[in-house]
Amino acid sequence: DQQVKQNSPSLSVQEGRISILNCDYTNSMFDYFLWYKKYPAEGPTFLISISSIKDKNEDGRFTVFLNKSAKHLSLHIVPSQPGDSAVYFCAANDNFNKFYFGSGTKLNVKP
Amino acid sequence: NAGVTQTPKFQVLKTGQSMTLQCAQDMNHNSMYWYRQDPGMGLRLIYYSASEGTTDKGEVPNGYNVSRLNKREFSLRLESAAPSQTSVYFCASSDPPGQGEFFGPGTRLTVL
Repeated sequence: DQQVKQNSPSLSVQEGRISILNCDYTNSMFDYFLWYKKYPAEGPTFLISISSIKDKNEDGRFTVFLNKSAKHLSLHIVPSQPGDSAVYFCAANDNFNKFYFGSGTKLNVKP
Repeated sequence: NAGVTQTPKFQVLKTGQSMTLQCAQDMNHNSMYWYRQDPGMGLRLIYYSASEGTTDKGEVPNGYNVSRLNKREFSLRLESAAPSQTSVYFCASSDPPGQGEFFGPGTRLTVL
């Protein structure tokens, strides 16, 4: 059973608007969460991360929110740009050596 | 600075054949990982190596072996390929572990 779940396989957003990508997890021992971006025929690229001791981390247009009680994290992209169109994976880490990935959400930002 | 490199980029095997996927990183990272990506499944960890000389199983290790040849190189071997091993394989490295991995471009493997 997947410990990290992304229930939306795809998301379509207009350029300039906010994109919100969601991720749920089941293992309360996860203590570090990451988002990766992946273009076709390339490896994933690390985007942003958050420790379990925080509830928000911001980096430019990207903000990750963590709700530990709900075991939920989200990635906000504001404003969305066509170049943000990619597959986004969330991942969680338990003992610093094992990462668990969600199945990904394909974001399409329309010009 | 090439980052993480993988060879080959594409490979077609027949059932029962063996092959080794090569991975190298030039970032002096201690931790290295092998993942497979299947449609609708995300990336699943096959094996990882926390440091030179150590390897550990991930979520889906069956049918695979690994070798951490030195700090730079981490290879994945399929001894007897099966159609269920058709996938895209990614190698990654990180240091410190858990801070975000650097991924290679992937190897697309098809087993007929």
